[in-house]
Formats: sequence, structure tokens, C-alpha cells
Amino acid sequence: DTEVTQTPKHLVMGMTNKKSLKCEQHMGHRAMYWYKQKAKKPPELMFVYSYEKLSINESVPSRFSPECPNSSLLNLHLHALQPEDSALYLCASSQAEGLGAGTQYFGPGTRLTVL
Amino acid sequence: LAKTTQPISMDSYEGQEVNITCSHNNIATNDYITWYQQFPSQGPRFIIQGYKTKVTNEVASLFIPADRKSSTLSLPRVSLSDTAVYYCLVGPIYNFNKFYFGSGTKLNVKP
Repeated sequence: DTEVTQTPKHLVMGMTNKKSLKCEQHMGHRAMYWYKQKAKKPPELMFVYSYEKLSINESVPSRFSPECPNSSLLNLHLHALQPEDSALYLCASSQAEGLGAGTQYFGPGTRLTVL
Repeated sequence: LAKTTQPISMDSYEGQEVNITCSHNNIATNDYITWYQQFPSQGPRFIIQGYKTKVTNEVASLFIPADRKSSTLSLPRVSLSDTAVYYCLVGPIYNFNKFYFGSGTKLNVKP
């Protein structure tokens, strides 16, 4: 199974709402990633978890709060977002070390619209 | 991290071979070159990865010259379904890492 799943596929939220994005993989990968992608732009790295610990935070605003409750799950909690946060949010996973660490498997993304 | 430069877009016709070049002048000794494909509103998909010379798999070939300052992704006999954005990434691969996507190349395959 080389699939990364993300829920929901689409999300519309107001600026005062609290919502969460979910990501799951069952490939035994111990590195998981969140990316943000605006239209016609490349994915931008937000966070990296390795062995369930936050290892990289690319200076993302605190209104985005990641969580890795176990080795298969990755969440992104959203609160008080701005309209400019509307984007496709991508989750990915890879081996944490060894040759497979350079190959990421991406989910289909969650299309987020902030009103 | 090595910066990459790719053409913004390329056009091709069905059945042709397409070569997309990526420039990475400051590639480090332990960096590998990885290519991803992305369709609209989908996550990127791994295509191929290599360190030097030539790598081939069932969908593409990757050519890397001896100085490793550039690489070329070769797609044989493209079809309309190969219309996508292709990203070249450069970096170490033996540990999880920051993966920075460059601007990518939009390939348009015409009938």
C-alpha cells in the first residue's frame, strides 16, 4: 500500500472557525510533511515530523498547529485563518533515513477556502 | 540547499520524446536529483531519482553529466495524459530533509 490519504478533500471555513486536516499513511514511514500550495505555484514546505517529533518548522504562523499522534497519522489544526491561507494543503510521507528518505509519497491534498 | 532552474513551460506533440533540463550549479557532493510530476489539484508523484550518469525506469530516464551541474528528464513517446508540471529537486536523501520545490516546468502535450 503506497497511499497517503487526506481528509477532508474540500474545506470551507470562516476566519473564526477551528478545523483540522487529517493525513494517514500505512507504509511504515517515520517522516511526515505538510506543504501548502497556492494556485500555479510550487508546494511550500511547512512542517516535518520525524519519529513523531516536530523536526522542521518553516516559520509558519501559529494559527497553523501540527500534531503527530502516532506514526501513521498527521494532523494540521487550523484556527483564526486569513483568506490568504486559502490553498491546497498537501501531506507527504517518506522513510526517515536510508535510501527511501529521499522519496516522498504525497496525498491528494485538502482544498481549503477561508472566507 | 542547491537551487534549481527549469524552463517555465514546454510544448510537445503526442508520440514525441520530451527532454526537460534542470540546472543546479551548486549541487553538493551528497545531493541526489529527484523529479516529480504533478497534475492539477493532485499531490506530486515521484518519477525518478539519480546521482550520476543515467537512470531508467518504466516511465522515464534521467541523464546526469559528469559535473552534475544539470540533469535531463527524458519522457519517451508522450501522450496527452503526460500534460503536467514537472519539478526537479536536489538534496541529500539518506535522511529526511527539507525538500524545496523549484518553479517547475509546465509540459503541454498537444494532439
